[in-house]
Amino acid sequence: DQQVKQNSPSLSVQEGRISILNCDYTNSMFDYFLWYKKYPAEGPTFLISISSIKDKNEDGRFTVFLNKSAKHLSLHIVPSQPGDSAVYFCAASAQGGGSNYKLTFGKGTLLTVNP
Amino acid sequence: GAVVSQHPSWVICKSGTSVKIECRSLDFQATTMFWYRQFPKQSLMLMATSNEGSKATYEQGVEKDKFLINHASLTLSTLTVTSAHPEDSSFYICSPMYRGLQVHGYTFGSGTRLTVV
Repeated sequence: DQQVKQNSPSLSVQEGRISILNCDYTNSMFDYFLWYKKYPAEGPTFLISISSIKDKNEDGRFTVFLNKSAKHLSLHIVPSQPGDSAVYFCAASAQGGGSNYKLTFGKGTLLTVNP
Repeated sequence: GAVVSQHPSWVICKSGTSVKIECRSLDFQATTMFWYRQFPKQSLMLMATSNEGSKATYEQGVEKDKFLINHASLTLSTLTVTSAHPEDSSFYICSPMYRGLQVHGYTFGSGTRLTVV
């Protein structure tokens, strides 16, 4: 049972344009969401997070939007740069009382930004 | 801040031998340690969760006698793959968690590529 889903295995975008990566979740207990960037044979690098009390969080070129009613979040990268090319993972956790705080990851989306 | 050191970065071992992977949080105390495994082109799969001084909790399908986790201090945790077999070849990543005021912080090691021949 996949609780965090990234339905697009890959995305190709032109440099300077917007990249939109999508993520859906099924567990209503999830209240904290994170996006990570990962290169092969390296650990994930944290990009941005959002708590369920917000619907948007912005950090530089990265913006995460959360739609709780749809159990959907997205990561927007504007403008996209060739250095953004990597696999992007969406992750979710339940931070409420009694939870074990573990992260559940999606399968990832390979973003390729073409010069 | 939140620097994590994971060693070794890669290891090749013979089938039947054991391999120990170390994960240190260098500038913070990790109350909880997560260990993940990633097979090629797949997601990060949680193997186990350990709290300092307690026994680890393993995810379904992960053999606790095969993957020994020690979390003896707030800055060091080890994962030992015992009697390794080729199917254990994978990328192992530690993730020390620190408790923040509002949300907890997740950090990741740089990973260990294990190849069992």
